[in-house]
Amino acid sequence: AQSVTQPDIHITVSEGASLELRCNYSYGATPYLFWYVQSPGQGLQLLLKYFSGDTLVQGIKGFEAEFKRSQSSFNLRKPSVHWSDAAEYFCAVGARSGGGADGLTFGKGTHLIIQP
Amino acid sequence: EPEVTQTPSHQVTQMGQEVILRCVPISNHLYFYWYRQILGQKVEFLVSFYNNEISEKSEIFDDQFSVERPDGSNFTLKIRSTKLEDSAMYFCASGQDSYNEQFFGPGTRLTVL
Repeated sequence: AQSVTQPDIHITVSEGASLELRCNYSYGATPYLFWYVQSPGQGLQLLLKYFSGDTLVQGIKGFEAEFKRSQSSFNLRKPSVHWSDAAEYFCAVGARSGGGADGLTFGKGTHLIIQP
Repeated sequence: EPEVTQTPSHQVTQMGQEVILRCVPISNHLYFYWYRQILGQKVEFLVSFYNNEISEKSEIFDDQFSVERPDGSNFTLKIRSTKLEDSAMYFCASGQDSYNEQFFGPGTRLTVL
């Protein structure tokens, strides 16, 4: 079974500074990988996804993530954060079963705090 | 832009009561999912549904849970006899294909007293 580890529970970053949120996964093959963002009281919004091809993927709101197979990682980055980026960020992995509707496995999330 | 909707946004019920959480997936999607998030914890997969039957379910999805697509637009999660530990945010999601790109609704917060 797949699993996702987000080692940082909380991260505090100054507005305008760069950001990297870590995600490691465990899966027997190349998975589908996702980053979702959740603002307080809101649902989950997809930031970006990796299915195949270019290992550096671009998402919405200026975020990007890089898939590194050798490290089983899919870290999320942003060159300059804005106060509105304060939220909970979830990394998720999906299985390549080739059919059926597989549920996503989520990490525990990283709470991002933006300092003025 | 089409989106997944869920009703109600907040449901309060007494322990032992039945609740039905409703979702309207994106209209051309074929795959439907329910997840839950206990306060302060991670999002957990409950069940997926495709071609009018359950495709996959987690160990959380026991006999007290059921899902149904009663018509062409709604997707429901029923909890037959609620327990205190069922208190959580329940998210519905839908996807167009099996490549796991899932679009989430805003959630229903269930409080069991």
